[in-house]
This record gives sequence, C-alpha cells and structure tokens, in this order.
Amino acid sequence: DIQMTQSPSSLSASVGDRVTITCRSSQTVTTYLNWYQQKPGKPPKLLIYAASSLQIGVPSRFSGTGSGTDFTLTILGLQPEDFATYYCQQTYSTPVTFGQGTRLDI
Amino acid sequence: QVQLQESGPGLVKPSQTLSLTCSVSGDSIGSGGHGWTWIRQHPGKGLEWIGYIHSTGTTYYNPSLKSRLTISIDTSKNQFSLRLNSLTAADTAVYYCARTSVGYAYADYWGQGTLVTVSS
Repeated sequence: DIQMTQSPSSLSASVGDRVTITCRSSQTVTTYLNWYQQKPGKPPKLLIYAASSLQIGVPSRFSGTGSGTDFTLTILGLQPEDFATYYCQQTYSTPVTFGQGTRLDI
Repeated sequence: QVQLQESGPGLVKPSQTLSLTCSVSGDSIGSGGHGWTWIRQHPGKGLEWIGYIHSTGTTYYNPSLKSRLTISIDTSKNQFSLRLNSLTAADTAVYYCARTSVGYAYADYWGQGTLVTVSS
C-alpha cells in the first residue's frame, strides 16, 4: 500500500494567514493526488483534484501543487470557515489511501 | 444536483453481516460516467477507503477487507450496496458513499454518512 504522510498533524493560525499543508507519499503517485476538507459531523468536501485542479465552487484562495511524492495545499488569506481538518488522498493505485489528516485550528 | 444517501442499520451485533445501500439521485449509475465508492471513518479517526464499483461490474476492494466484503450495483434502482460480514467492534464507523470520477478517481459528491455501531 502507498503510505500518505501529512505534516503538520495540527496547526493553529489566524484569519488572514497563509497556511501550507504538506503531503508526502511513500512512492510516486504522479499527480493522482486529491485534497479534501472535513468539518465535524460532515462528509469530506473535495477541494483539489489531480494535484492542482480546483474543484468547481471552491474559493480560489485554495491551491495545490506538486507531483511525484511531494504535494502541498496552500490557503491564502484564511477565512473563519476554513478551520477544519484537511486530508490528502492518493488514487494512483489501489488500495486508495488517505493521509492521517491535518487539523487547522484558530 | 447530485445527491447520495446511505441507508442501513445503525446497530449490528458482532459476527453478523452489515448491509448498507447508497441511493443516488441527480445522476444515473448505469450511464457509466462515474464510479461509486464506499469510505469509512472510525470515530475520531481518519478516512479509510473500502472499495469501488463501476456499472461495468468492475470492482476494487481494500485488501484488508476483501475477504469479508461485497460491493454490488443495481442500475434499475440507481443504487449501490455494501455487504460486510463477520463484523467486530473494529468495524464501528461512519460509512460514507461517494461518487468517484473515472479518471483521477476523486470523490466529488458524498452522502452524509451513517454511523454503524457493532455491539451486542
């Protein structure tokens, strides 16, 4: 299985901040890397697919970069509604695997 | 608008079989334009991919569950289902169904999730 490791596991930030979350895979996933946001009691919401493509309806302050084994999710100008848990997911090979999550707190 | 809704028992006894159904509206499962996925989340934990099915009959299962798992599709009802047998407390989780793109396999629409508790 491909292991996905996110860092940090948690971080605190303020409204207006720039935040970067990193995801590293144990072997190449090329650009088969997706990012999700999850709020308590809700299903995950797709933010970024194919490493850097913004899902329709997602604010442009979210962006993704990377390929191979190293990826980043950046949020420019944090908004109150962005405080949540973020997961990366590789879909390069089965079983599909997720990172352990990054909790973003105020 | 695409909507998915999980249904099934909230409480199941150990050693029994869990059956969940995902009802889809706003898209046709039989059209083949997307795949359909089950994902679960243990309480307070991260996301675990369970498996995937396409209307062609193609399935992919998580090897950790494969011996106990069956995912099926009913295009006439626009539903897909999960059956997981020999349940233990470790199967207690919120179970989500999701629509999955055929190419990059990202999950763009999700059900609200259903909590399944395995307990006697």
